[in-house]
Amino acid sequence: KQEVTQIPAALSVPEGENLVLNCSFTDSAIYNLQWFRQDPGKGLTSLLLIQSSQREQTSGRLNASLDKSSGRSTLYIAASQPGDSATYLCAVSSRNAGGTSYGKLTFGQGTILTVHP
Amino acid sequence: DTEVTQTPKHLVMGMTNKKSLKCEQHMGHRAMYWYKQKAKKPPELMFVYSYEKLSINESVPSRFSPECPNSSLLNLHLHALQPEDSALYLCASSPPGKGTGELFFGEGSRLTVL
Repeated sequence: KQEVTQIPAALSVPEGENLVLNCSFTDSAIYNLQWFRQDPGKGLTSLLLIQSSQREQTSGRLNASLDKSSGRSTLYIAASQPGDSATYLCAVSSRNAGGTSYGKLTFGQGTILTVHP
Repeated sequence: DTEVTQTPKHLVMGMTNKKSLKCEQHMGHRAMYWYKQKAKKPPELMFVYSYEKLSINESVPSRFSPECPNSSLLNLHLHALQPEDSALYLCASSPPGKGTGELFFGEGSRLTVL
């Protein structure tokens, strides 16, 4: 059974700092890994998706890496801003025998990020 | 159109009521999902529809009844719910076939059962 762990559970930083959020998973037979952002009471916004064959993806100030063999991913946020404050969720999709996704995302517990001015 | 639209945004119902949640997407996605999220917890999968057929039911109680009338619509029918069913219900969709498998989520329907 796939298990996903995110560290730290909460992080508070001053504006402008670069920061790293960590995600680990137990079963390396993944189809992809997605990082999401969730604001309080809202839905999930997809930030970055990394296919199992990829090593990293970048979007603006965000960079996500994937090391499938060690079961780890990191989300790097450069020059953090108060508007980045949210819960960040890592989720993995497992691969089925046909080589496609089961369609089930297994989520980590999330990292609550607070960026203060 | 890259949106997944969920209605209603908020729903309050009694334990004897029957209500429905609705989800709509026009991205041509052929897989649609219902997730349940309790406060301060990650989302948990309830159901997956693939090409309008139910492909995964994560042992969800029968008081939750999903329906996929067509490739753009997904409903969740609610009947005789319990207060512990109060949660944020999230709908998602993803492209068909051996694509990226990226899931797109709606804003959710917040359900309160009295």
